[in-house]
Amino acid sequence: GQSLEQPSEVTAVEGAIVQINCTYQTSGFYGLSWYQQHDGGAPTFLSYNALDGLEETGRFSSFLSRSDSYGYLLLQELQMKDSASYFCAGTMDSNYQLIWGAGTKLIIKP
Amino acid sequence: DAGVIQSPRHEVTEMGQEVTLRCKPISGHDYLFWYRQTMMRGLELLIYFNNNVPIDDSGMPEDRFSAKMPNASFSTLKIQPSEPRDSAVYFCASTEAGGPSNEQFFGPGTRLTVL
Repeated sequence: GQSLEQPSEVTAVEGAIVQINCTYQTSGFYGLSWYQQHDGGAPTFLSYNALDGLEETGRFSSFLSRSDSYGYLLLQELQMKDSASYFCAGTMDSNYQLIWGAGTKLIIKP
Repeated sequence: DAGVIQSPRHEVTEMGQEVTLRCKPISGHDYLFWYRQTMMRGLELLIYFNNNVPIDDSGMPEDRFSAKMPNASFSTLKIQPSEPRDSAVYFCASTEAGGPSNEQFFGPGTRLTVL
């Protein structure tokens, strides 16, 4: 079947760097997206990797390796406001449907 | 643009009552998705539409759930009769075909509590 696996929780210190991993098992994989969701809020888009390699957007970067069925989200210079849940989501085939991971809760300590 | 609009933001109802959730997607977006989110099951896709036509409703949990999209600017998700296990946050999201990132834009959600 189609599934994405990511850690349930990650803890880091303010100002540090943290990496959230995502592995997937699926056919017809088109690309990997990352979304951020604060408690009580809606998911918001962070990044999308259609090709292998690193995509950088400010303090956030996302990486994809199709050969390893693996991707990660890298957050640098962590701020307390980055405390949230982060979801990886796979685009399958060409129908724009996303297959979602269970989410990683990022806890940032001062 | 106002973004995706959902109403109501909060709904508290009693078991057995009918519940209707509403969504207005972003103008020009041709895909609309209905999701349900709970602590136990995470984010689940219930149904999605392309150009107002339902494409995949395999995520709709039971016949008690139904969704319609009568035009490009409005969709409803109806639960009849509602049950306590339907308590969740329901999100509507939309996207534009052919976009560079397949980004889905989410509404603020409707928090449903069924007593």
